[in-house]
Amino acid sequence: DQQVKQNSPSLSVQEGRISILNCDYTNSMFDYFLWYKKYPAEGPTFLISISSIKDKNEDGRFTVFLNKSAKHLSLHIVPSQPGDSAVYFCAASPQGGKLIFGQGTELSVKP
Amino acid sequence: DTGVSQNPRHKITKRGQNVTFRCDPISEHNRLYWYRQTLGQGPEFLTYFQNEAQLEKSRLLSDRFSAERPKGSFSTLEIQRTEQGDSAMYLCASSSPAGGSYNEQFFGPGTRLTVL
Repeated sequence: DQQVKQNSPSLSVQEGRISILNCDYTNSMFDYFLWYKKYPAEGPTFLISISSIKDKNEDGRFTVFLNKSAKHLSLHIVPSQPGDSAVYFCAASPQGGKLIFGQGTELSVKP
Repeated sequence: DTGVSQNPRHKITKRGQNVTFRCDPISEHNRLYWYRQTLGQGPEFLTYFQNEAQLEKSRLLSDRFSAERPKGSFSTLEIQRTEQGDSAMYLCASSSPAGGSYNEQFFGPGTRLTVL
């Protein structure tokens, strides 16, 4: 029962262009969503989050959009940089406590 | 460095042996979480503590797994009678109710377990 899904295992983008990573969820009780970035042999690093009462949150080059009716969120990275190359995980929190993660999307930003 | 630390970073053991991992959270964080990650998957929740109280355990946490946080600071995760299927990255995270929410969890570098 995969409650959080990232259907694209990989994404390749040219440097300077926009990267769009997508995530779908099934549980309407989720009230907080997060994106993490992970490099090999390191733990996930928190990137950006959004509460279910909002539909957009922006932090520098990173913007997260939430569409509650579609149970869909996306992470936009503009402009993409080679250092953004990593695995990105979306996660959902059912009213605090544990996080439920998607399978991850490996982003490759080519110079 | 005031981040989450985990020891050891790598552990290789033979099937049937017991192993113990340690996690030191960010000092002012009163919640501590354990996750397990296998290749190609996202982290899967195992258990979490608020101070010394264990508030939730996943079905993934079989009887061979036990976690403790005796003084509400560091935590240990023990796996008894290890099996090859236990090979994974074990991640620890911590959080505090800053801003009224525990949602943002900060992860350590993980302990990579290999069971031969």
